[in-house]
Amino acid sequence: QVQLVQSGPEVQKPGASVRVSCKASGFSFTVYFMNWVRQAPGQGLEWMGMMNPNTGETIIPQKFQGRVALTRDASISTAFLHLSGLTSDDTAVYFCARRTLDPERAFDFWGQGTLVTVSS
Amino acid sequence: EIVMTQSPATLSVSPGGRVTLFCRASQSVAGNLAWYQQKPGQAPRLLIYAASTRATGVPARFSASGSGTEFTLTISSLQSEDFAVYYCQQYDKWRPEEPTFGPGTTVDIK
Repeated sequence: QVQLVQSGPEVQKPGASVRVSCKASGFSFTVYFMNWVRQAPGQGLEWMGMMNPNTGETIIPQKFQGRVALTRDASISTAFLHLSGLTSDDTAVYFCARRTLDPERAFDFWGQGTLVTVSS
Repeated sequence: EIVMTQSPATLSVSPGGRVTLFCRASQSVAGNLAWYQQKPGQAPRLLIYAASTRATGVPARFSASGSGTEFTLTISSLQSEDFAVYYCQQYDKWRPEEPTFGPGTTVDIK
């Protein structure tokens, strides 16, 4: 069955960087685009970007350009979110989410989420 | 960026009741809309895509409709497991990819 398993919680200081991993199983990793979505405490969902695991091409919204990098290691079916210049506003749960195949573009499977806490 | 709004923010309903949630896009997204359900401490779950198509395993009591800028999600005969937050999301296929979510509607027990 399709599974996305994310790395464990992180506590980082302001100004630091964090890397969150998302290991895929049960489907062909290079076929489905992978998205990242975050959710601050008590807040809604915010899209952070998407990667084509086959080519490595990424789409990052302007808000996160320069701070977010999306990478992958296809040999272990794992996607990575790198977030730099952390502030307290980055405290959130970070989710990876698989995008359905074209023509639809909904997010059909999600990781369990990774809590990143930014605190001095 | 396409801005999504949802109403109401909160809905209090008795088990067995029927609810309709509303989602509006700031510009037309045709039928490129999804609905998600999220329970506390869990990841969102895809319920509906293409505005009205139920995802695999979603019960028939969930139905949705709409196109353009106005969309609805209806839950008939609410079960205990349906009390959750519901988000709409647009994924316009005809623009550079930038999906956006609505702020959510909380359905809680009356």
